[in-house]
Amino acid sequence: QSVLTQPPSVSAAPGQKVTISCSGSSSNIGNNYVSWYQQLPGTAPKLLIYENNKRPSGIPDRFSGSKSGTSATLGITGLQPGDEADYYCGTWDSSLSVWMFGGGTRLTVL
Amino acid sequence: EVQLVESGGGLVQPGGSLRLSCAASGFTFSSYAMSWVRQAPGKGLEWVSFISSGGGDTYYADSAKGRFTISRDNSKNTLYLQMNSLRAEDTAVYYCARRLGYCSSTSCYVNFDYWGQGTLVTVSS
Repeated sequence: QSVLTQPPSVSAAPGQKVTISCSGSSSNIGNNYVSWYQQLPGTAPKLLIYENNKRPSGIPDRFSGSKSGTSATLGITGLQPGDEADYYCGTWDSSLSVWMFGGGTRLTVL
Repeated sequence: EVQLVESGGGLVQPGGSLRLSCAASGFTFSSYAMSWVRQAPGKGLEWVSFISSGGGDTYYADSAKGRFTISRDNSKNTLYLQMNSLRAEDTAVYYCARRLGYCSSTSCYVNFDYWGQGTLVTVSS
């Protein structure tokens, strides 16, 4: 059971928008940066969003991140079949002094 | 091009030891902190450890403390993870990742921008 709570799965049709939530507490999300990672089947994770809402070079603007209080959200617009993957949020927990990932959310593009 | 290539995984008996390596290229290795992250079969990501660019600061997950040691050789552009007293629950793919950001006395404002392809560690008798 992860300290950062993500829905196990989300789904949407191609072209639609989906959001993935990541819920934590004041010791982690509330006072630290959140990053998001995409893991396509059988591959290594890839950084999608860092410092809550910044995109690394090469990540399309269909992907966005936001944070409010002790929750963060990953948004994906214009869904494509190639977006089917597991998505993980991550942040530092200042009370536990550890980095933590959320449990992961599997995105299905119907 | 940034490349991280892990090696050293394999089958080991419970209680045994293994040393993983991660060979880095395409960037100035000595300027970056590095990390190990693992993923048990069919499970999510679990952070294991990270080490500062110079090797002087290290952090560990509770599951790794006292059993795993992260280190680096900047002259060889290589990151290591020495794993001792291995247990069945350590079975996972181990990824090395480059760490961006910084740690202060109270927090770590970091993320992981490049990842290797992973090396599988299986702990079984």
